[in-house]
Amino acid sequence: AQTVTQSQPEMSVQEAETVTLSCTYDTSESDYYLFWYKQPPSRQMILVIRQEAYKQQNATENRFSVNFQKAAKSFSLKISDSQLGDAAMYFCAYRSAMNYGGATNKLIFGTGTLLAVQP
Amino acid sequence: GAVVSQHPSWVICKSGTSVKIECRSLDFQATTMFWYRQFPKQSLMLMATSNEGSKATYEQGVEKDKFLINHASLTLSTLTVTSAHPEDSSFYICSARRILTGELFFGEGSRLTVL
Repeated sequence: AQTVTQSQPEMSVQEAETVTLSCTYDTSESDYYLFWYKQPPSRQMILVIRQEAYKQQNATENRFSVNFQKAAKSFSLKISDSQLGDAAMYFCAYRSAMNYGGATNKLIFGTGTLLAVQP
Repeated sequence: GAVVSQHPSWVICKSGTSVKIECRSLDFQATTMFWYRQFPKQSLMLMATSNEGSKATYEQGVEKDKFLINHASLTLSTLTVTSAHPEDSSFYICSARRILTGELFFGEGSRLTVL
């Protein structure tokens, strides 16, 4: 079974600085997707960034970028020029790209990292 | 962007009553919707996968007779917590997978408090 681990329960960053959130995962599959979701105090989950395992190039979305190390099964999120609105819970998630008998693949979430942004 | 709406956003009920939570995809069709439960400061725990027109698939340990899921159309799934008890108090979140693109969108969540 696949697992996702986020070893940092809480992180803090100064406004305008850069912060990196860690995520590791375990799988025996070769084809999968990895995601970072943000859950602000409003509680609605928002997709931050997505990475396909078959792509070697790290995904980037404006101030958000990932460091995807497939061999190490590591998927960290870097937030540059941190803003107060970045304060939220961040979840790393895994989804298999394999299709087992047509079953819909589910997201497997890590335990989350609570990011505080200091003004 | 695509919108998934949950209703009600919060509900308080007495122990022993049943509560229905709706999850609607407002501007797209979704053959698959997922229901999660989230306790304070914890991750999302998948409860069940809801497929339009068929029975839901429940995760291990989730009582299907207690958490009834119906996915009667391509835009609506409902979760009914039957005979609710205080331990069922939680934040319930749905997500919907858009047909064709496979993108996943989350609802705003519904906070259930059972007295």
